[in-house]
Amino acid sequence: ILNVEQSPQSLHVQEGDSTNFTCSFPSSNFYALHWYRWETAKSPEALFVMTLNGDEKKKGRISATLNTKEGYSYLYIKGSQPEDSATYLCAHYGQNFVFGPGTRLSVLP
Amino acid sequence: DTGVSQDPRHKITKRGQNVTFRCDPISEHNRLYWYRQTLGQGPEFLTYFQNEAQLEKSRLLSDRFSAERPKGSFSTLEIQRTEQGDSAMYLCASSPVSGIANEQFFGPGTRLTVL
Repeated sequence: ILNVEQSPQSLHVQEGDSTNFTCSFPSSNFYALHWYRWETAKSPEALFVMTLNGDEKKKGRISATLNTKEGYSYLYIKGSQPEDSATYLCAHYGQNFVFGPGTRLSVLP
Repeated sequence: DTGVSQDPRHKITKRGQNVTFRCDPISEHNRLYWYRQTLGQGPEFLTYFQNEAQLEKSRLLSDRFSAERPKGSFSTLEIQRTEQGDSAMYLCASSPVSGIANEQFFGPGTRLTVL
């Protein structure tokens, strides 16, 4: 059974701090790595789709990197804002989508 | 709003009752997925449709669960004889066949509480 892990499970940061989380996954049968942001009472929102080893993607203050050989992806948030508070999910897409348990981020004003 | 919609958003039921949830995908999306998410876990795959054909079912989907997509548009997920362990968030997602690495677009979910 494919196991996707995320760390930390949760974290609290002050507004303005930069932060990063990790998603680790088996490097076999890899096709894509997806990042989603899930705010309470809303739909999970797609952030990035990453397919190539060494991929780096950026959207505003959020960026992500991918290492398919060692099986990890980092998500970075620069200058966190309270509106960044959400659960960040990664999903390994090979044969099926397998989600990690998420990292719950709270940004304190 | 042209996103994925789900109905109801919340459902509270007593153990042993049947419940049915509905998902309306983005209109041009052929693929439709159901997931279940419990506290502290990521969404777990339940089943997948391409148009009206149910192509894959997880082992998590017991005999009490059934899903349909009769006309290849909306889908329903029914749980018969609900148990307390069925309490979870049920998420629906859709994707176009031509999407980027099967990028999925999610609905807001239906939160089921079984008393």
